[in-house]
Amino acid sequence: EVQLVESGGGLVQPGRSLRLSCAASGFTFDDYAMHWVRQAPGKGLEWVSGISWNSGSIGYADSVKGRFTISRDNAKNSLYLQMNSLRAEDTALYYCAKDIGSSGWYSNWFDPWGQGTLVTVSS
Amino acid sequence: QSVLTQPPSVSGAPGQRVTISCTGSSSNIGAGYDVHWYQQLPGTAPKLLIYGNSNRPSGVPDRFSGSKSGTSASLAITGLQAEDEADYYCQSYDSSLSAPVFGGGTKLTVL
Repeated sequence: EVQLVESGGGLVQPGRSLRLSCAASGFTFDDYAMHWVRQAPGKGLEWVSGISWNSGSIGYADSVKGRFTISRDNAKNSLYLQMNSLRAEDTALYYCAKDIGSSGWYSNWFDPWGQGTLVTVSS
Repeated sequence: QSVLTQPPSVSGAPGQRVTISCTGSSSNIGAGYDVHWYQQLPGTAPKLLIYGNSNRPSGVPDRFSGSKSGTSASLAITGLQAEDEADYYCQSYDSSLSAPVFGGGTKLTVL
């Protein structure tokens, strides 16, 4: 069974940093691109970032570009999101999601999704 | 506001048919990029419902169907059941943003 388990969320002050992790199991991790998608409280879904199977292709939403860094460790079956200069508007449930392909997510979909880790940015 | 536009809410009685629209533009749906749909039950993570405009993953009832035409897509749910009450999101890719994009979500209420 494919499983994605996020961790690393919590309460953090504006301007500080946080690193999220996603542990993957049940599939060949380095065959697939991976993504982070967030959902602010009571709001819709927003794609945050994606990374290809070999980290050769990386993309970010404009709202996080320059502040967030996605990475992966295929030896550890893990996906990461380093979040710097956090803002109140970054407060959200952050989901890790598996792409159905290895790279170039132009017409790809996300399946499955983890349960999410909550990030709250507040002083 | 979201790049893909969905109605905030729809409702229907048990057994009825409802549709949820997803309207995009020439840089996403209209450019030929596929549309996918997700169901988010209360308090849970999104779950893939329809992929590639009209395909159902294994385990998704055939009461759910998807279609795409021009710059829009639609999700139809027939034979509404109480368990279908959830938020539904469409997703595509936008070439101007070079990013996957979601609709704002539609809350389905089963009366």
